[in-house]
Amino acid sequence: IVLTQSPGTLSLSPGERATLSCRASLSVTSTYLVWYQHKPGQAPRLLMYGASTRATGIPDRFSGSGSGTDFTLTISRVEPEDFALYYCQQFGSSPPWTFGQGTKLEIK
Amino acid sequence: QVQLVESGGGVVQPGTSLRLSCEASGFTFSSHPIHWVRQAPGRGLEWVALISSDGTYKHLGDSVKGRITISRDNSKNTMYLQLSSLRDDDTGVYYCAKDRGTRYYLGMDVWGQGTTVTVSS
Repeated sequence: IVLTQSPGTLSLSPGERATLSCRASLSVTSTYLVWYQHKPGQAPRLLMYGASTRATGIPDRFSGSGSGTDFTLTISRVEPEDFALYYCQQFGSSPPWTFGQGTKLEIK
Repeated sequence: QVQLVESGGGVVQPGTSLRLSCEASGFTFSSHPIHWVRQAPGRGLEWVALISSDGTYKHLGDSVKGRITISRDNSKNTMYLQLSSLRDDDTGVYYCAKDRGTRYYLGMDVWGQGTTVTVSS
């Protein structure tokens, strides 16, 4: 299964709403769809699992939704610490469990 | 404190081998699958390999198949990755990460800080 993320880069100002898309080439059981945040020089961080459940410590401005082939990560009001790379990944198919190519959320 | 610590990175010559280690603490290591993920300079995340909690099942990424050996020693809370016939495009930061699942693979909820591998002559 190939995951395609869009947009490649999202330029927003703090306080704006961010909508990140992850589209799968085949249907994915939402149980197995996850999102990560990755900042330069740091380890990636699990944001969402099961497509819509926030991982431990993730603020409620982050939300996930979707099913089948279309999934969305939404940040209701972007904070300065949210500017980073975001990746989706799925474990519903046989390996390899590739990541999407990533969306860069940058400050406008 | 739940933690993973990678070691074994460095500068290595093309065609040689290296072994990376991933030592865990703060959780029941033997209950969880462990992944390796890497990031080449300027590129996105690449899933590399997974070993099941008891070491029975091993899944490998296409770019490393035939060149990689993964194993774990649950008595030492440590997982190992050996990569041979190293190429320039093996250069990058290698992360080990714990799967939040036990029987099923559900995503990586604990990550090490990474170890850097540079393949260069």
